[in-house]
Amino acid sequence: GENVEQHPSTLSVQEGDSAVIKCTYSDSASNYFPWYKQELGKGPQLIIDIRSNVGEKKDQRIAVTLNKTAKHFSLHITETQPEDSAVYFCAASSWGIKAAGNKLTFGGGTRVLVKP
Amino acid sequence: GAVVSQHPSWVICKSGTSVKIECRSLDFQATTMFWYRQFPKQSLMLMATSNEGSKATYEQGVEKDKFLINHASLTLSTLTVTSAHPEDSSFYICSASRRAAVTDTQYFGPGTRLTVL
Repeated sequence: GENVEQHPSTLSVQEGDSAVIKCTYSDSASNYFPWYKQELGKGPQLIIDIRSNVGEKKDQRIAVTLNKTAKHFSLHITETQPEDSAVYFCAASSWGIKAAGNKLTFGGGTRVLVKP
Repeated sequence: GAVVSQHPSWVICKSGTSVKIECRSLDFQATTMFWYRQFPKQSLMLMATSNEGSKATYEQGVEKDKFLINHASLTLSTLTVTSAHPEDSSFYICSASRRAAVTDTQYFGPGTRLTVL
């Protein structure tokens, strides 16, 4: 099955700096890669996603890049703010390809702390 | 749009009792709902996938007789933890995928914290 590894596990940045989180996946059939933000005691919130036919996607201060050949994708947050502090999870699925393709496999999570 | 709710948000129960958690998609029809379990400072672990009108598919190692899942309508799925024990204490989160969507985007509920005494 799919295996998703996420690094780093913790990330501390100064307010205004950029934060980068990287994930690698093992299944070349994976074609959908969402990123979720989870605040303490709450459910994960989708912040951005990318599909395998696109190499990069941007939404204001957040961007995601995908390298299908190397099987890795990254989340970039620019001009970080204290409210960006949370746990971020990457995930992968092979939607439409496999019978259970709509299942998400999550990375281990990255705890981001933005220091004012 | 794409709001998922869960009820209750937290519950404390005695060992041996059963607890039911509801997951609702408020503004869309969900063909598929998923149930996850999350321990402190850990990632989400998929417990089961639930399709409306059919039996849930459980992940390996998840006891289907202990974690009963019902997906009776396109907007409601329930998870019942039967004969709960302290080791069942956890954060339970559901998610839902839109019906007829071109993608499998999962929208998550706010979670239910279960504490078994």
